[in-house]
Amino acid sequence: NAGVTQTPKFQVLKTGQSMTLQCAQDMNHEYMSWYRQDPGMGLRLIHYSVGAGITDQGEVPNGYNVSRSTTEDFPLRLLSAAPSQTSVYFCASSPAGQGVHEQYFGPGTRLTVT
Amino acid sequence: GQQVMQIPQYQHVQEGEDFTTYCNSSTTLSNIQWYKQRPGGHPVFLIQLVKSGEVKKQKRLTFQFGEAKKNSSLHITATQTTDVGTYFCAGPDSGGYQKVTFGTGTKLQVIP
Repeated sequence: NAGVTQTPKFQVLKTGQSMTLQCAQDMNHEYMSWYRQDPGMGLRLIHYSVGAGITDQGEVPNGYNVSRSTTEDFPLRLLSAAPSQTSVYFCASSPAGQGVHEQYFGPGTRLTVT
Repeated sequence: GQQVMQIPQYQHVQEGEDFTTYCNSSTTLSNIQWYKQRPGGHPVFLIQLVKSGEVKKQKRLTFQFGEAKKNSSLHITATQTTDVGTYFCAGPDSGGYQKVTFGTGTKLQVIP
């Protein structure tokens, strides 16, 4: 199993550009989520999905869109990049079932917006 | 909303010294998770505690869940350079399902 994969690893955007960060998992996990990590801020939840066709907002959703057409894939779209979106983005997945389960993280995408 | 704070934010220790990070929640937690993130890496799950007052050990790491289930700690005995990284706690979000709120993290530097 590859686990959780993310592409690209690094990306530089100009202000106003749009792009999609890709995330895929091969563990048949129902729950997937996107976090951003900024120095001193920990991991903040952007959007999450509890299954194909179901998404919801997290703590910091503004400027980002998601969709979940399959169990495996959960792309994150930046609509019009801003310097404030410079960050490291992590995708994570976890299995369903009673209680809270461990989250498996992808390697991250380091995004710089100039 | 729910807040999970960790102290200290940074800690430098000499190799061989002990290290402790503390996690405090504004609400009672049904469980708490701990993750480790190596420099340049991604968070990796370490352990989950569920019971009030629970203590679990992984080699030199000791994890505790408070009696009131609002705080937790991670203690590392005799640190090694391989312990370098940021340690995060995470508690279930009030929104339910698999959502968790991560603590602010404690960055550990070990001086050889």
